[in-house]
Amino acid sequence: EDQVTQSPEALRLQEGESSSLNCSYTVSGLRGLFWYRQDPGKGPEFLFTLYSAGEEKEKERLKATLTKKESFLHITAPKPEDSATYLCAVPGFQKLVFGTGTRLLVSP
Amino acid sequence: DVKVTQSSRYLVKRTGEKVFLECVQDMDHENMFWYRQDPGLGLRLIYFSYDVKMKEKGDIPEGYSVSREKKERFSLILESASTNQTSMYLCASSPRTGGSYNSPLHFGNGTRLTVT
Repeated sequence: EDQVTQSPEALRLQEGESSSLNCSYTVSGLRGLFWYRQDPGKGPEFLFTLYSAGEEKEKERLKATLTKKESFLHITAPKPEDSATYLCAVPGFQKLVFGTGTRLLVSP
Repeated sequence: DVKVTQSSRYLVKRTGEKVFLECVQDMDHENMFWYRQDPGLGLRLIYFSYDVKMKEKGDIPEGYSVSREKKERFSLILESASTNQTSMYLCASSPRTGGSYNSPLHFGNGTRLTVT
């Protein structure tokens, strides 16, 4: 069965304290991996697509990387406005399979 | 930018009422989806549609139905609302690429439904 597991469930950082979020997946034949950001009370906002192991994508303080079994979302020198829930998802059979997300809180 | 618009941000309904949640997308996407999101359970797929008048059950279709009469519009219907259907409902769309589902979804901002 296709499965996505995200860790940690929650992460508290000080402003400027870099860290990484993990997304492990089990799927038959990876056809991409997606990262989303979700702010409270809003829908998920698409961030990145990664298609093959070794691929990297960057956006401001965020960098996503992909291996054959997992993806990392690296956050460099985060700011309070980076506080959100970060979701990852992979295409399964006829649908995307989502992880339950990592809640990130960045304190000033 | 892709825009997915859900008709209501907040909705309060009584047990037993029939509830309609509407979703419209403006990017001519073939695929449309309805999810619910609950704390600790993540996003769960209710129904999806890959074409007009087509629908497929997701993981939790019980108590729900859908309608897709036009390509841009996908409606979720709660036939007889119950308190366990209190949740955040999210609509999403994506283009069909090669007949598969490996395109990122674009989400609306959700409808917070409370059933009392």
